[in-house]
Amino acid sequence: QMQLMESGGGVVRPGRSLRLSCTSSGFTFSTYAFHWVRQAPGKGLEWVAGIWHDGSNKYYADSVKGRFTVSKDNSNNTLYLLMNSLRGEDTAVYYCARAIDSTGDDAFDLWGQGTKVSISS
Amino acid sequence: DIVLTQSPDTLSLSPGERATLSCRASQSLGSKLAWYQQKPGQAPRLLIYDAFNRATGIPARFSGSGSGTDFTLTISSLDPEDFAVYYCHQRGSWPPMTFGQGTRLEIK
Repeated sequence: QMQLMESGGGVVRPGRSLRLSCTSSGFTFSTYAFHWVRQAPGKGLEWVAGIWHDGSNKYYADSVKGRFTVSKDNSNNTLYLLMNSLRGEDTAVYYCARAIDSTGDDAFDLWGQGTKVSISS
Repeated sequence: DIVLTQSPDTLSLSPGERATLSCRASQSLGSKLAWYQQKPGQAPRLLIYDAFNRATGIPARFSGSGSGTDFTLTISSLDPEDFAVYYCHQRGSWPPMTFGQGTRLEIK
C-alpha cells in the first residue's frame, strides 16, 4: 500500500529550528517529485516548497524562502524540510505530498497524515 | 501570484442533491487545475486533476469542467460522505502554487 508518513513536529520557541521528515513506502520514491503544504489552525492550504524527483530543482514560497530548505534522500526514501528562524506564523500542520509528475509540475495524488508544528514562547 | 477565488464559501444541500462548486483564477491556467476534498482531521484527497480527469478510485459522481480562468466541480448526487471542504489548486504558473480558500459543503 502506498503511504507517506510525516514526523518531527512539535512545540518550539520562535527563532529555533526544526526538521520534518516524510518517509514513504509502497512505491518507487526516487521517481517522484514532492511538495510540502501547510495548514494553519482553522485555515486553508498553503504551498510551502517543492523538489524534483532527483533533488536537482527546488522551489519555495516567498514566506519561507531563505529560512526553509527542502531535500530528498532517495537512498532512504525520505523527504525532509529543515525549518530555521521559525516564527509564530509558521504554526501549522505540515503535509508532504507526492506530485504525479517527476518535476513536481502536477497535482498531488498522495498525501501524508500531517505533522503539527507549534511556535510559541 | 495567481489568486484562486472559490464560491460559494459555504454550500448547504441535502443528500441526493446536485452540488456545483466554482473556482475562478486571476490569470489563465489552461487546464492546470486540480480539486481536493478534505474532511476534519484528515489530509486532503485528490479528486480531479488537469481540470476534468478523475483521480484513481474517485466515484463517477464527481466531475470537473472548465478551462482558462473559470472552473467547476460538480457532484451529481450527494452522498452523506461527500460533506467536507473542497479546495482548488493551480499549477498554471508557479512558484508559487496556490490554493483557493475552500468551499465548505454542509448538510442542509
